Amino acid sequence: DAGITQSPRHKVTETGTPVTLRCHQTENHRYMYWYRQDPGHGLRLIHYSYGVKDTDKGEVSDGYSVSRSKTEDFLLTLESATSSQTSVYFCAIRTQEDEKLFFGSGTQLSVL
Amino acid sequence: SQKIEQNSEALNIQEGKTATLTCNYTNYSPAYLQWYRQDPGRGPVFLLLIRENEKEKRKERLKVTFDTTLKQSLFHITASQPADSATYLCALDSGGSQGNLIFGKGTKLSVKP
Repeated sequence: DAGITQSPRHKVTETGTPVTLRCHQTENHRYMYWYRQDPGHGLRLIHYSYGVKDTDKGEVSDGYSVSRSKTEDFLLTLESATSSQTSVYFCAIRTQEDEKLFFGSGTQLSVL
Repeated sequence: SQKIEQNSEALNIQEGKTATLTCNYTNYSPAYLQWYRQDPGRGPVFLLLIRENEKEKRKERLKVTFDTTLKQSLFHITASQPADSATYLCALDSGGSQGNLIFGKGTKLSVKP
């Protein structure tokens, strides 16, 4: 799994509450990504990071923010969760030398 | 807009046969294309990468082709086994400077004994 840990693995929350998902890597890779996966849509990029404090928006960034204060951690925050954000969230990393992604095991988020 | 299509949501084949999955794209000129395998409840796992100047790539029982004229990639699993049952995703680079990938929706392959 290329040393990627996502936490929590499962979370149930209520509409309007803030939620933070954590992605931790142990191999100091430069690039980190957050994707969401939904039936009928496949994997869609939310935000990505290309270094400490360097982040940018992906295809479906509305309602999400990210932070990367150190190389190993990439946090995804839902400031005020909505039911449309119920999804499986995957973190991924990419080495600078390679184009392939290594994914974490995912976080199943349910917003009620 | 950029679009990726995997031709079928599900593919059922008999053990021992060759599975062929298709990935088509429009409004792209990707430098490379990748295939991933995803099992239920798990994250995708990288299988193969093929570049725009490569026609074919092989890895054990897997073979990928890339036709930039047709804007299509074919993914073959020869001598398929029930353990090959999974969802297979194709992904292309979006063309941006950061090398972000855009994924197809996947094809769920079921190999029956």
